[in-house]
Amino acid sequence: DTAVSQTPKYLVTQMGNDKSIKCEQNLGHDTMYWYKQDSKKFLKIMFSYNNKELIINETVPNRFSPKSPDKAHLNLHINSLELGDSAVYFCASRPPGSNTGELFFGEGSRLTVL
Amino acid sequence: ILNVEQSPQSLHVQEGDSTNFTCSFPSSNFYALHWYRWETAKSPEALFVMTLNGDEKKKGRISATLNTKEGYSYLYIKGSQPEDSATYLCAFSEGSQGNLIFGKGTKLSVKP
Repeated sequence: DTAVSQTPKYLVTQMGNDKSIKCEQNLGHDTMYWYKQDSKKFLKIMFSYNNKELIINETVPNRFSPKSPDKAHLNLHINSLELGDSAVYFCASRPPGSNTGELFFGEGSRLTVL
Repeated sequence: ILNVEQSPQSLHVQEGDSTNFTCSFPSSNFYALHWYRWETAKSPEALFVMTLNGDEKKKGRISATLNTKEGYSYLYIKGSQPEDSATYLCAFSEGSQGNLIFGKGTKLSVKP
């Protein structure tokens, strides 16, 4: 069983479209994250959700919106896609009770905007 | 802007060689230092989380040390094997929220 799963793994779309990437974790964690791997290969945090509350939003354009229907899911919606949104997006979760705990990552979703 | 620097960017070694890489991070507001191993087409997996100055952690042939006062951590691999080939990521946590700032990683290739 995959602990943190993301769908789709690959997404190719046109500029201006709206798309979503889904993330689910079956680890019972209560903090989930979205990271973007930029063109320089850095993993940069986009959002963090703890018990369905947004606790970090790192200067991400408001075209990006995280949605958490429950503790096990954190989906990423992107409106009006731009060429610069092309990247690999990683979902991650962290065990409850410790802000120093390791992150558990999904396998990434590669978004290509044409 | 908080930066995490890793060196070298890439490393090619022969099977059986021992190797080490460096992670440099801001020495103020230290909370935790993470090391992750990231194989191609897979997801990053945690190796170590270190929180105390002078910490040393070991997992099999891989070990890590931490110096929070000078802001660096070393990762050592003893007797490298081809299956050790991966990118090794370092991440620094500077606050109680646990937000991790990642370095670019060191890509290790071990030739049989």
